[in-house]
This record gives sequence, structure tokens and C-alpha cells, in this order.
Amino acid sequence: EVQLLESGGGLVQPGGSLRLSCEASGFTFSNYGMSWVRQAPGKGLEWVSVISGGVESTYYADSVKGRFIISRDNSKNTLYLQMNSLRAEDTAVYYCAKRIYPGYGSGSYHDYWGQGALVTVSA
Amino acid sequence: EIVLTQSPGTLSLSPGERATLSCRASQTIGNSYLAWYQQKPGQAPRLLIYGASSRATGFPDRFSGSGSGTDFTLTINRLEPEDFAVYYCQQYYASPQAFGPGTKVEIK
Repeated sequence: EVQLLESGGGLVQPGGSLRLSCEASGFTFSNYGMSWVRQAPGKGLEWVSVISGGVESTYYADSVKGRFIISRDNSKNTLYLQMNSLRAEDTAVYYCAKRIYPGYGSGSYHDYWGQGALVTVSA
Repeated sequence: EIVLTQSPGTLSLSPGERATLSCRASQTIGNSYLAWYQQKPGQAPRLLIYGASSRATGFPDRFSGSGSGTDFTLTINRLEPEDFAVYYCQQYYASPQAFGPGTKVEIK
């Protein structure tokens, strides 16, 4: 059974940093690309970032480019999102999601999602 | 960048009725690389439809997807109480692989 478990969320001040983790199980982690998708309170889904399975190619939404870093440790079956220079508008539930192919580009949708981690940016 | 528009924003229907949800793209989505996700309150999204018309595991055949190019539709026949949720479309043809704003299907 595929499971994705996010952790690391919490309250952080504007300008601060936070690192989210997503521990994966039930599939060969290194064979699949992974994404972070966020959802602000009462709002829709916003795709944030994606990383390929092995070569670690990455891509970011313009709203987080230069501030967030996606990475993975295939030996630990874990996906990360390092969030720096956080802003109030980054407040959201952050979901990690498994993609169906190793790559990060066209043709790969999300077949499994974690339960989400809440990040609140406030003074 | 491909922008997705979903309509209506909210659909108020009774159990047993048919729901028709629209997702329109600002540019052609090649290969019908369009997915639909269902999200219930307090839960993560769940894959419902991929490739515009292929149903994901666990969903009954009252759910169907159709369309190509720029116009896509999600149809839910004979709404059941558990179908009332928010539905998002997402294109995975071009980066960024953005989501539509969602359609809420609520009980009338």
C-alpha cells in the first residue's frame, strides 16, 4: 500500500525558514518523480515544485522560485521542501504527491497524495 | 503557461441528479493530458480521472470524463451522497502543470 506521510509543518514568522519532509512507503521511491502541492485556507490547489526520480531535475512555480528548494534522499525514501524567506501568502497545507513516471515533465500526473502538513506564516 | 478555467464555480444538485463540470484550457492540451481530482473537506485530493477519460481505481462507473483539445468535461451520473465534494482539473502536458480553480458540488 502506497503511503506518504508529511511532517515538519508549524508556525513560523515572516522571513523565517522551515523544512517539510515526506516519508514514502509501499513503492520503489527512486523510480518516481514527486511533487509538492499547496492549498491556502479555503482556496484551491497550487502546484509548487517537482523533482525527478533519480537524476534530480527540479522545477518550481514562479511564486516560490529562489526561495524554496525541493530535494530527495532515495536511501531514506524521503522527499523534502526547504522553505526560506517565508511570507504570509505561503500559509497553506502542503501536500506531497507521487507522480506516475520518474521524470518531472509532460505526461505524469499524481496518483497518490499525503495527508498534508500545515504551514502558518505569521508574526 | 496554460491556464485552466472551471465552471460553474458551485453546482447545487440533489442526490440522484446528474452533474456536468467543465474545464477549459487557454491552449490546447496535447495527448489529452488532463486529470480530475476529487477533494472532500479535511482530506487530501484523490485522483479520479486521467488521460481525460480513464477512471482511476476505486471510482464507480457513474464518473466519466470526456473532451480533448481545450474543452473537457467531468460527468457524474446519479449523484450519491459521497460524491458531494470539490473537483479540480489539472493539465500535465506543459509546465507549470497548474490546476483549475475547482468546482464545488453541493447538496441542494
